[in-house]
Amino acid sequence: AQKITQTQPGMFVQEKEAVTLDCTYDTSDPSYGLFWYKQPSSGEMIFLIYQGSYDQQNATEGRYSLNFQKARKSANLVISASQLGDSAMYFCAMREGFGNNDMRFGAGTRLTVKP
Amino acid sequence: SQTIHQWPATLVQPVGSPLSLECTVEGTSNPNLYWYRQAAGRGLQLLFYSVGIGQISSEVPQNLSASRPQDRQFILSSKKLLLSDSGFYLCAWSGLGLATGELFFGEGSRLTVL
Repeated sequence: AQKITQTQPGMFVQEKEAVTLDCTYDTSDPSYGLFWYKQPSSGEMIFLIYQGSYDQQNATEGRYSLNFQKARKSANLVISASQLGDSAMYFCAMREGFGNNDMRFGAGTRLTVKP
Repeated sequence: SQTIHQWPATLVQPVGSPLSLECTVEGTSNPNLYWYRQAAGRGLQLLFYSVGIGQISSEVPQNLSASRPQDRQFILSSKKLLLSDSGFYLCAWSGLGLATGELFFGEGSRLTVL
């Protein structure tokens, strides 16, 4: 069963504007972690931000913030003040339970920043 | 600091030929190791993960196999490649004790099967 859903195959945003990339997840485990990764055209996977299921506050890392709505099982990534270098694929991922179990990824969203 | 490397970066192989992709991690011990495959324009599919030497968990039945002969070495293999094996293969590691448990990825290996 699909655990991570990203419903936006592609998104466009004007430079300097904010954009929200959607992610919903499904789990019955009360302990889990949510992650966002960026994949530029070079192919490397860059870790952006993490949100734990027990975290009380939304995670933030520079221009990245995670809008975590636990009851709705959503973990949307917000990028503020978009830059041309933000154009890339973005993947939402989840790891269930404690320890280092496997991580599952969504299908990804291709973000294009327009000048 | 920890580093992860995988090779080769690019590979073009005929159908039916064997495959060996290697991945090594430096600067950490007893990492969890992963192989993912990404088809063109698609998400990441978990193929194998390993929590220790000789311990391999397979996620997808296929003609690929994985081995972990040493603590920080992870190898993806095939005896006979199929056209459908084409894709971008990513090795990753995560460490015990990391609070967040994020994965750190290698540079990727692009495989084209002709």
